[in-house]
Amino acid sequence: AQRVTQPEKLLSVFKGAPVELKCNYSYSGSPELFWYVQYSRQRLQLLLRHISRESIKGFTADLNKGETSFHLKKPFAQEEDSAMYYCAPPTVANAGGTSYGKLTFGQGTILTVHP
Amino acid sequence: ETGVTQSPTHLIKTRGQQVTLRCSSQSGHNTVSWYQQALGQGPQFIFQYYREEENGRGNFPPRFSGLQFPNYSSELNVNALELDDSALYLCASSPSPGNNEQFFGPGTRLTVL
Repeated sequence: AQRVTQPEKLLSVFKGAPVELKCNYSYSGSPELFWYVQYSRQRLQLLLRHISRESIKGFTADLNKGETSFHLKKPFAQEEDSAMYYCAPPTVANAGGTSYGKLTFGQGTILTVHP
Repeated sequence: ETGVTQSPTHLIKTRGQQVTLRCSSQSGHNTVSWYQQALGQGPQFIFQYYREEENGRGNFPPRFSGLQFPNYSSELNVNALELDDSALYLCASSPSPGNNEQFFGPGTRLTVL
């Protein structure tokens, strides 16, 4: 079974400091990895997907297949980055011949950026 | 473009009762997935619906069931409620079954007493 580990439940940094949220996964195939974010009182939303190699809100994430990691990084944290972050390697499986996609979420990391 | 909507927002039930949660998918999306998020945990996949049929299921018992309608909206039904069913239930829609970029609704908070 696929597993995803986010070792830090809580992470606190000061505004302007670099931040790295760790994610390790176990996956036998070629993973397509996502980071989802949930700001206070808002719905869960996609932050970035590694395949697009985009930088969203200053965040980047590099897939390291050797270490099976997909850490989320931002060089200068802002107070508005305070939120819950989930790493989510998806699975495409087959049921009766039709593929379906599901996301396997880690437990999440609560990031707090202090002024 | 209309996002994913869910109803009701909150619900309180007692053990043994049955509950139905509703979800309207985002415009243009034909696939709906349901997730359970217990307090302090990440969401866990319950099942997915596509073409009005269950198209994949996570590790949840049969008392969790669902429906999808021709307009792609969906229902999650839970029978014989247990205390551990208390959670936030999230609906997510996507343009196709294998598309892993999913768009989430605000969730329904279910409390079982």
